[in-house]
Amino acid sequence: QQQVKQSPQSLIVQKGGISIINCAYENTAFDYFPWYQQFPGKGPALLIAIRPDVSEKKEGRFTISFNKSAKQFSLHIMDSQPGDSATYFCAAPLPRGTNAGKSTFGDGTTLTVKP
Amino acid sequence: DADVTQTPRNRITKTGKRIMLECSQTKGHDRMYWYRQDPGLGLRLIYYSFDVKDINKGEISDGYSVSRQAQAKFSLSLESAIPNQTALYFCATSEDSNTEAFFGQGTRLTVV
Repeated sequence: QQQVKQSPQSLIVQKGGISIINCAYENTAFDYFPWYQQFPGKGPALLIAIRPDVSEKKEGRFTISFNKSAKQFSLHIMDSQPGDSATYFCAAPLPRGTNAGKSTFGDGTTLTVKP
Repeated sequence: DADVTQTPRNRITKTGKRIMLECSQTKGHDRMYWYRQDPGLGLRLIYYSFDVKDINKGEISDGYSVSRQAQAKFSLSLESAIPNQTALYFCATSEDSNTEAFFGQGTRLTVV
């Protein structure tokens, strides 16, 4: 069982295009919605995160859009570059005492940006 | 120095052997985690610890055990390694459940 469901599994985008990755979550008590980026041979690293008091957060070419009513949040990468080619994970918090054992990460999206 | 250090980085072991993967962190965080990564399956939680005295099983804890030796150290053991435990293992730490998680570089384990 997973607390977050991520799509698509893989994505191929041309350089300069927009990459969009989606994540759906179950628990309405979540208060932190991060996206992690992982390059081959490296551990995941936080890319951008949002709290539910705002609907959108932008950092450079990366934007998180948050839809509380739909229980979804998405990552948008504008002007995608070959250097953005990586695996992206959405994640859910692991509160103490609840839902012990459930996965906290989505299955990942492999993004390939073609030059 | 890295915030989270995992040792070894690579290990090949034989079926039935006991193996320990070690993790140390310099962030001063109470929460530490062990994840396993397999192609197409994302990051699956093996064990997690909210503090030195609070250790919990994750979704795939069978065949694994952990020890939290100190706030900064969290080790993962495979008591009797089997080939389907071949994977990439990550240790992570965070200040709280709703804050950034910091990951190590990973340990690539191969069980033959």
